[in-house]
Amino acid sequence: LAKTTQPISMDSYEGQEVNITCSHNNIATNDYITWYQQFPSQGPRFIIQGYKTKVTNEVASLFIPADRKSSTLSLPRVSLSDTAVYYCLVGDRSPTGRRALTFGSGTRLQVQP
Amino acid sequence: ETGVTQSPTHLIKTRGQQVTLRCSSQSGHNTVSWYQQALGQGPQFIFQYYREEENGRGNFPPRFSGLQFPNYSSELNVNALELDDSALYLCASSFWGQGTYEQYFGPGTRLTVT
Repeated sequence: LAKTTQPISMDSYEGQEVNITCSHNNIATNDYITWYQQFPSQGPRFIIQGYKTKVTNEVASLFIPADRKSSTLSLPRVSLSDTAVYYCLVGDRSPTGRRALTFGSGTRLQVQP
Repeated sequence: ETGVTQSPTHLIKTRGQQVTLRCSSQSGHNTVSWYQQALGQGPQFIFQYYREEENGRGNFPPRFSGLQFPNYSSELNVNALELDDSALYLCASSFWGQGTYEQYFGPGTRLTVT
């Protein structure tokens, strides 16, 4: 199983860019990297997904180096509403695979005014 | 709102009892995954169902079992409940075939075992 490691917590201020790195040393060839956001008492919410290099959507960017052993979620200009726990997920995208999916330990981001 | 619903919202059971949790997937999705989330921890993968068959399983004992129905709704059954089974149980639906791994999570069922 691909084990992931993230910082336990991070602090930031409104308007700053936040980068959260996830380490996944034993990622497999077919594994995608996905990031989720979770607010208290809610299910996680999809943020972004990637396989290699850089992916950008309307809320975040995801940077993946060539060896794919880590990934960095970048949140531009955070606001108070971005205060949440962020999870890195590594898993096999094949519907016929029987590999388990692994959430990281999560990074608790606190955004201050 | 993701379109994924779970019932019940909260549940209290006694050690040794059995429990069934239900999940209704988002329309058009053919895959459902179940997760256990203990307080202050990340979700732990229990298992996944694709087209009504178990497609992957995490490190959970056989007393955790599941079903996926033709309408892609799903159940999680836990037998012989233990105190450590107290957690938030999340289901997530997705659609395989689009080259994406985006999962849509429900709000969860909070299970307390006393």
